[in-house]
Amino acid sequence: DGGITQSPKYLFRKEGQNVTLSCEQNLNHDAMYWYRQDPGQGLRLIYYSQIVNDFQKGDIAEGYSVSREKKESFPLTVTSAQKNPTAFYLCASSWGRYTAAEAFFGQGTRLTVV
Amino acid sequence: KNEVEQSPQNLTAQEGEFITINCSYSVGISALHWLQQHPGGGIVSLFMLSSGKKKHGRLIATINIQEKHSSLHITASHPRDSAVYICAVPTGNQFYFGTGTSLTVIP
Repeated sequence: DGGITQSPKYLFRKEGQNVTLSCEQNLNHDAMYWYRQDPGQGLRLIYYSQIVNDFQKGDIAEGYSVSREKKESFPLTVTSAQKNPTAFYLCASSWGRYTAAEAFFGQGTRLTVV
Repeated sequence: KNEVEQSPQNLTAQEGEFITINCSYSVGISALHWLQQHPGGGIVSLFMLSSGKKKHGRLIATINIQEKHSSLHITASHPRDSAVYICAVPTGNQFYFGTGTSLTVIP
């Protein structure tokens, strides 16, 4: 079955360490997205990619980096520059820019930095 | 002003009650997603709809594209329905999400 997989579901890291969150899809989707959720707030866009080897900053990209070397993979690195990394992170994918309606969502990764 | 507004923010119901959660949006093309998030858990996609109504078990979702409004209904609510329900609207390069409705169903 096709789908989008985020791993791990829960992640703990020490302050000052970079950490990479995985997002893989086997849906042949061109577009992939990363969102962040903080308690009591809606999900906010960190980065998105419409095509392999290209990605764009979202509303809250500072302290994060991404890569899109393969169509099926869009890993997100939370760097030590991110001041408040503890949050819930959600990955999504869709066919493309004007077909975002056909979207799938990952289960999410809950990152805790101690 | 948020692009996607949900109401109510919090909802407490007795088991068996009929629940309605509303979502209004000012952006978007022609579709909307309803997502479910259990406490401490991940996201589950409930519906994607672009017109009319969809039903899955005790869940019913409706959308009115002209009025840019959608509702999620839960019939015969159960404590296991307790979760945060989020609507998401795709537009252009991204999705806009509501802040969620936190539902608690009391036995």
